[in-house]
Amino acid sequence: EPEVTQTPSHQVTQMGQEVILRCVPISNHLYFYWYRQILGQKVEFLVSFYNNEISEKSEIFDDQFSVERPDGSNFTLKIRSTKLEDSAMYFCASSDGGSGNTIYFGEGSWLTVV
Amino acid sequence: SQKIEQNSEALNIQEGKTATLTCNYTNYSPAYLQWYRQDPGRGPVFLLLIRENEKEKRKERLKVTFDTTLKQSLFHITASQPADSATYLCACRSGNTPLVFGKGTRLSVIA
Repeated sequence: EPEVTQTPSHQVTQMGQEVILRCVPISNHLYFYWYRQILGQKVEFLVSFYNNEISEKSEIFDDQFSVERPDGSNFTLKIRSTKLEDSAMYFCASSDGGSGNTIYFGEGSWLTVV
Repeated sequence: SQKIEQNSEALNIQEGKTATLTCNYTNYSPAYLQWYRQDPGRGPVFLLLIRENEKEKRKERLKVTFDTTLKQSLFHITASQPADSATYLCACRSGNTPLVFGKGTRLSVIA
């Protein structure tokens, strides 16, 4: 079964450093998402991406964050200057349609900021 | 503000029984409601989607109901097994808004 793949699975970074999390969405999907989950808390929406632009973003997704689809297969999340509170599991997800279509999640990238 | 509440943080049941998990929403009219399973340290795995004009959906041992009057969805696992132990997440969408998750209910099925 097709799946969303994410790298790295775990990254430790120093506060203030830039981090790029990578995702390969399911190949025929058109909508891409990033979610995060702080340990013990709920899964929170960060951003959605369609047709090479951001379609929606949450208040968590401030100027420190950016997303990019640099080629036909990858979808990246960049955190420009990491803070301790950015430590979380970051999930990439994709779907083949808009509302009502199932969103498939990757296994996550666990980011630890020290 | 929109709220999705799964009112049990944890639920313990005996193997073979039916597990029933509840999801309530307020200040919201979701067009779709989805249930996911999440194992520790893993990503959410899609289980079932139900639309606002559907009362019930089934898949193998799983059943989901959607009551727009009560603003509630119930998720049932019949003949539960220890392998069903996981956190189950309710998530809602309305129109093209992002999928919003509840905190989840941690289910433990005891042999």
